[in-house]
Amino acid sequence: DVKVTQSSRYLVKRTGEKVFLECVQDMDHENMFWYRQDPGLGLRLIYFSYDVKMKEKGDIPEGYSVSREKKERFSLILESASTNQTSMYLCASSRDRGHSASYEQYFGPGTRLTVT
Amino acid sequence: GQNIDQPTEMTATEGAIVQINCTYQTSGFNGLFWYQQHAGEAPTFLSYNVLDGLEEKGRFSSFLSRSKGYSYLLLKELQMKDSASYLCAVRDRSNYQLIWGAGTKLIIKP
Repeated sequence: DVKVTQSSRYLVKRTGEKVFLECVQDMDHENMFWYRQDPGLGLRLIYFSYDVKMKEKGDIPEGYSVSREKKERFSLILESASTNQTSMYLCASSRDRGHSASYEQYFGPGTRLTVT
Repeated sequence: GQNIDQPTEMTATEGAIVQINCTYQTSGFNGLFWYQQHAGEAPTFLSYNVLDGLEEKGRFSSFLSRSKGYSYLLLKELQMKDSASYLCAVRDRSNYQLIWGAGTKLIIKP
């Protein structure tokens, strides 16, 4: 059974704190993604990675950074948390890109982050 | 530009059939996905269409018309557990990323 896990389901942080969100997948997937999900908006891609030590910016990378030191782990870092980063954060993984097959994304349970 | 439109909310009756529409405009197209997301949970994959036509999977079917930039998800014999949000996502050919709609919240009434 495929599995994507995230380090916390709920997190409360103060403005200005550095925040680490961890994601681990056990499917040996090449691709990993970080999204945020806000009411009335679609999933918005923050960063993604197609390989170890590789990262690419998504649609809304400002205020975030990522790290992928191992294939199974993809970390999202909020350098200095702000209230507008209060959101649901979803991690996902999928098999390699560049194919016409479905290779759907598998999601973790999400981390609901509140910045006060 | 890139855009995906779905209705915000729909209501249906248990045992009935409901069709959730999705229209899209993208610079390139390499497949359309439907996901289900129950409140407070992660999205889970339902279906994938890359060619025109209907794909049936049990009570759920998904249709695609690439020329019209249109898809729908058809849910038959609705059950209370089908109450969820349904997300439409298009894979962009240029970079294989997914572009997501805002989702349709489906409410099932007894």
